[in-house]
Amino acid sequence: SQTIHQWPATLVQPVGSPLSLECTVEGTSNPNLYWYRQAAGRGLQLLFYSVGIGQISSEVPQNLSASRPQDRQFILSSKKLLLSDSGFYLCAWSFSGGGNEQFFGPGTRLTVL
Amino acid sequence: AQSVAQPEDQVNVAEGNPLTVKCTYSVSGNPYLFWYVQYPNRGLQFLLKYITGDNLVKGSYGFEAEFNKSQTSFHLKKPSALVSDSALYFCAVRDTNAGKSTFGDGTTLTVKP
Repeated sequence: SQTIHQWPATLVQPVGSPLSLECTVEGTSNPNLYWYRQAAGRGLQLLFYSVGIGQISSEVPQNLSASRPQDRQFILSSKKLLLSDSGFYLCAWSFSGGGNEQFFGPGTRLTVL
Repeated sequence: AQSVAQPEDQVNVAEGNPLTVKCTYSVSGNPYLFWYVQYPNRGLQFLLKYITGDNLVKGSYGFEAEFNKSQTSFHLKKPSALVSDSALYFCAVRDTNAGKSTFGDGTTLTVKP
């Protein structure tokens, strides 16, 4: 069976500091990978998605970047955090193909002070 | 372009009563439709999906949803609500020609004993 891991679970960072959130998937190959941000427990904003190694689509111009250095590893980064980067960050994966549901990780709660 | 709307921020029902959480969508082609549930401080969990075929789709935990093409709706239903069903519910749509899904803003379901 497949599992998805995200870490850390919670993070408190000062404004202007760098960020690295990691997501890994086990038990499958060549998954589609996604990063979302959820503000105030409401809607999901798709930040990045990837259909393969080195292939990243950015959905919203912002202070963040994503990389996929290995098939089942997806990293969300920032060089300098802003207050507005605070939120709940969710990683997800799916099999390739439009009719496949997404499987979400447990999330990272990021607070920028 | 694709979009999804969940017209109710909050739905309140009494335990044992039927529940409905509404979702309408807009796509240029044919839709793939999904429902997810989120418990506090957790990632989303997949409940059910419509790809093709029968308009009534059955999913996890006794939930079902009916695809209505003429009304462009995909409402989530359950015949008898449980207190443990209280959570945040998300509808998502993906056009068959799109590379990603679009999520609604979510509906908070509260089931009172």
